[in-house]
Order: sequence, then structure tokens, then C-alpha cells
Amino acid sequence: EVVLVESGGGLVQPGGSLRLSCQASGFTFDSYAMSWVRQAPGKGLEWVSSISGSGDNTYDTDSVKGRFTISRDNSKNTLDLQMNSLRAEDTALYYCAKQSLRRTEFDFWGQGTLVIVSS
Amino acid sequence: EIVLTQSPGTLSLSPGERATLSCRASQSISSGYLCWYQQRPGQAPRLLTYGASTRAAGVPDRFSGSGSGTDFTLTISRLEPEDFAVYYCQQYGNSPRVWTFGQGTRVEVK
Repeated sequence: EVVLVESGGGLVQPGGSLRLSCQASGFTFDSYAMSWVRQAPGKGLEWVSSISGSGDNTYDTDSVKGRFTISRDNSKNTLDLQMNSLRAEDTALYYCAKQSLRRTEFDFWGQGTLVIVSS
Repeated sequence: EIVLTQSPGTLSLSPGERATLSCRASQSISSGYLCWYQQRPGQAPRLLTYGASTRAAGVPDRFSGSGSGTDFTLTISRLEPEDFAVYYCQQYGNSPRVWTFGQGTRVEVK
């Protein structure tokens, strides 16, 4: 059974930093690309960042480029998101999502970790 | 950048009725790159269909996806109580590599 468990969310001031983590189990982690997808309170889904199975290739949405860094440790089956220079508009529930082998969709999701950026 | 527009914003129906949800892309996309998710209140999204029309594992056959080019549809043949939720379409773009969601359609009890 695929299980994704996020952690690391919390309240942070504008301009601050936070590191999110996702512990994965139930599948061959390094065979799959992984992503972070966020959802602002009461709003829709927004893709944030993706990383290939090997970790060699990363992709980010424009609004987080230069501020967020996605990474993975295949020896520990973990996915991370380092978030710097946080803004109020980064406030959201952040989901860790496994991509299918096709890489075009997200076939399993965690329950999310909440990030609140506020003074 | 491709924009996905879902309609209607809210669909008010009764259990047992048929639901038809639309997802329109701002330019033609490969049907292989279009999928649908269901999100129940307080829950994470769940993949329903991918490749426009292939149901994900464990998804009931009352859910069906169709479409091509710029117009895609998710149909729920007979609404069950657990189907009242928000539905999102999503497309994958490979140059640049991005994953884009529609704004969602809420299916609510009439």
C-alpha cells in the first residue's frame, strides 16, 4: 500500500523559511517522480515542484522559482521542499504526490501539511 | 501557457442523476495528458481518470472521461452520495514541463 506522510508545516513570518518533508512507503521510491502540490484555503490545486526519480531533474512553477528547492533522498525514501523568502500567498496545505510511471498525473497523495505565512 | 477552464462552477443535482462536467483548454492538448481528480471535503485529491478516458485503479465504472483537442468531459452516470465533491481536471505540458489544474467544479446536493 502506497503511503505518503508529510511533515514540517507551521506558522512562519513573511520572509522566513520552512522545510517540508514527505516520508514515502509501499512502492519502489526511486522509480517514480515526485511532486509537491498546494492548495490555498478554500481554493483550488496548484502544482509547485517536481523531481525525477533519480533526483537529477527538477521543475518548478514560476511563482516559486529561486525561492523553493525540491530534493529527495532515495536511501531514506524521503522527499523535501525547502521554502525560503516565504510570502503570504504561499499559505496553503502542501501535498506530497507520487507521479505515475507516465509522469503526467499524480496517482497517490498524502494528507498534506499546512503552511501559514503571517506576521 | 495552457489554461484549463472548468464549467459549471457548481452543479446542483440529486442522487441518481447524471453529472456532466466540462474542462476546456486554451489550446489543443494531447488527450493522453488530461486527467481528472475527485476531492471530498477534508480529504486529499484522488485520481479518477488519466489519458482522458482510462479509469484509475479502483474507480467505479459510473465515472467516465472523454474528449479530445480542447474539450474534455467527465461524466458520472448515476450520482451516489459519496460522489458529491469537487472535481478537477489537470493537464501535463512537456515544453516547458508543467502540470496545470482547472479551477474545479463542485457537485452539490440539490
